[in-house]
Amino acid sequence: DAKTTQPNSMESNEEEPVHLPCNHSTISGTDYIHWYRQLPSQGPEYVIHGLTSNVNNRMASLAIAEDRKSSTLILHRATLRDAAVYYCILRDAGGGADGLTFGKGTHLIIQP
Amino acid sequence: NAGVTQTPKFQVLKTGQSMTLQCAQDMNHEYMSWYRQDPGMGLRLIHYSVGAGITDQGEVPNGYNVSRSTTEDFPLRLLSAAPSQTSVYFCASKNRAYEQYFGPGTRLTVT
Repeated sequence: DAKTTQPNSMESNEEEPVHLPCNHSTISGTDYIHWYRQLPSQGPEYVIHGLTSNVNNRMASLAIAEDRKSSTLILHRATLRDAAVYYCILRDAGGGADGLTFGKGTHLIIQP
Repeated sequence: NAGVTQTPKFQVLKTGQSMTLQCAQDMNHEYMSWYRQDPGMGLRLIHYSVGAGITDQGEVPNGYNVSRSTTEDFPLRLLSAAPSQTSVYFCASKNRAYEQYFGPGTRLTVT
């Protein structure tokens, strides 16, 4: 799997939008961009994924650069419950059964 | 649906002891996997399975065994516990789509 680069930590205020960046300059044409998050003392949970076009779901939006070498996870209105470690992960279009490759992710701190 | 369940939640072992971490899913998912997470680190894949009777090694398989006799269950066996295996263990499952579902984790301490 191609490598991703994320900031170690970010801080934001409650009820403000949060933009979490991810660089993946070696992404291949068949790699999907996945985001997972891990709340304190819990297992990771799926957030969103996309290939080329921007994606929206009830949790977040994913903005993908035109050259696909970077992407941004957008939380439109952060709450204290969004404080977590966010992981940006690339996976081949085949999906694969052999698990996900997790880096250290971005530790998101939300200030009240 | 209960999703992915793991037992026990916490476990303390002495060096050399063996034990089995249990994992079960009720979503009829083909794929299941085990990860470990050390403090301040991301998850690392231990073993995975693409269906009943089929297992394969991940990134850090040494010291662990798995088997998959049913679709629902995927136990992880520690053969002879070592302090280096102190970690949080997560089980996950997925179907042919991309979303993985993770269990709540088992916190293991080996003294």
